[in-house]
Formats: sequence, structure tokens, C-alpha cells
Amino acid sequence: EVQLVQSGAEVKKPGESLKISCKGSGYSFTTYWIGWVRQMPGKGLEWMGLIYPGDSDTTYSPSFQGQVTISADKSISTAYLQWSSLKASDTAMYYCARLENIVTSNWFDPWGQGTLVIVSS
Amino acid sequence: QSVLTQPPSASGTPGQRVTISCSGSSSNIGSNTVNWYQQLPGTAPKLLIYSNNQRPSGVPDRFSGSKSGTSASLAISGLQSEDEADYYCAAWDDSLNGPDVVFGGGTKLTVL
Repeated sequence: EVQLVQSGAEVKKPGESLKISCKGSGYSFTTYWIGWVRQMPGKGLEWMGLIYPGDSDTTYSPSFQGQVTISADKSISTAYLQWSSLKASDTAMYYCARLENIVTSNWFDPWGQGTLVIVSS
Repeated sequence: QSVLTQPPSASGTPGQRVTISCSGSSSNIGSNTVNWYQQLPGTAPKLLIYSNNQRPSGVPDRFSGSKSGTSASLAISGLQSEDEADYYCAAWDDSLNGPDVVFGGGTKLTVL
């Protein structure tokens, strides 16, 4: 079974750093892009960026470029999303998802269970 | 403000057919395929429709998708109480900054 399992909820203070993880299993982790998606409380989905674990090629949404860093460690089939200095506005649920594609069609499946990040003083 | 436009809410009674629209532009829906995701309360999104009208295995054939020009729609026939969820459309956008994934704002479906 293809599965993405994310790290647990985090409560942090503004200014702190954070790295959350997404571990893939049941497939060849290095041959599929992994995406990160933000969902702020009561709001919709926002794409943040993608990483190809095979060579760590990364692309970011313009809205998140410079705000977060996406990385991967293919030796342990894990992708990461990190912040160097959290803000209260980073409070959200964060999902990772595998990017599937056929020719020119791309979609996210499956999704991780989500990691809740709360930033509060 | 989301790049793709969906109605914020929709409703129907059990057994009814409901449709949810998704409007975009030539740089996203007009030139790329559309996917739909279902998010049940308190859970992660789940792929419902991919490549405009394809259902993943396990998704009932009550769910169907279509696309025309710069708009897409999701239809749910034989509405059931367990269909109450948020539904999101998504597509790639060929923006000047490079490919971008854009989502609709989501439609909250209520089964009356």
C-alpha cells in the first residue's frame, strides 16, 4: 500500500525554527515528486511547492518562495518542510502528497494525514 | 482570493443530483487537466476525480467530472449523507513564473 506518514503536531513560539517530515512507503520514493499543501484554519488548500527526491530538484509556489525550505533524504524515504523563523500566521495544517502523472496530467495521490503546526506566544 | 472559482456552498437532499462548478482561465483549466479532491470533516483531502473525468479505483460511479473550455464541474448523483464534505478543484497553471498548482476555494456540500 502506498502511504505517506507525517510527523506529529507541533506547538512553537514565534521566531522558533521547525522541520516537519513526510515518510513514504510502498513505492519507489525517488521516482515521484512530493508536494506540500497548506490549509489555514477554516480555509482552503494552498500549494506550497514540490520536491523530486531522486535529485532534490525543488520548485516553490511564488507565494511561499523564501518563506519555507523543502528538502528530502532519499536514504530514509522522507521529505521535509522547514521554517527558520516561525510567525503566528504559519499556524495551519500542512499536508504532503505524492504527485502522480500520466503524460501531461498530474494529480496528488495519496495524501499524508497532515501535521498541525500552532505558532503562539 | 483563489485562482479557481467555486461556489462556497452547495446542498441537496438524499438521492438528489448536485453539481459543483469550477471556473478558471486559459492558463490553467483552459490548457491543463482538472482534478477534484474530497475532504471529509477532520480528515486529509482525498483524490476524487483526476484528469478531468477519471475516477480512481474505489470511488463510486456516482461521482463524475467534466471540463469545457475554462470551466469544469463535479457531479454527484444519488446523494448520500456521507458525501457531506468540502470539495476542491485543482489544476496546473502555466504562469509567467513557471508551473504552479492552483486550487479552488472549496465548496462545502451539505446533505439536508
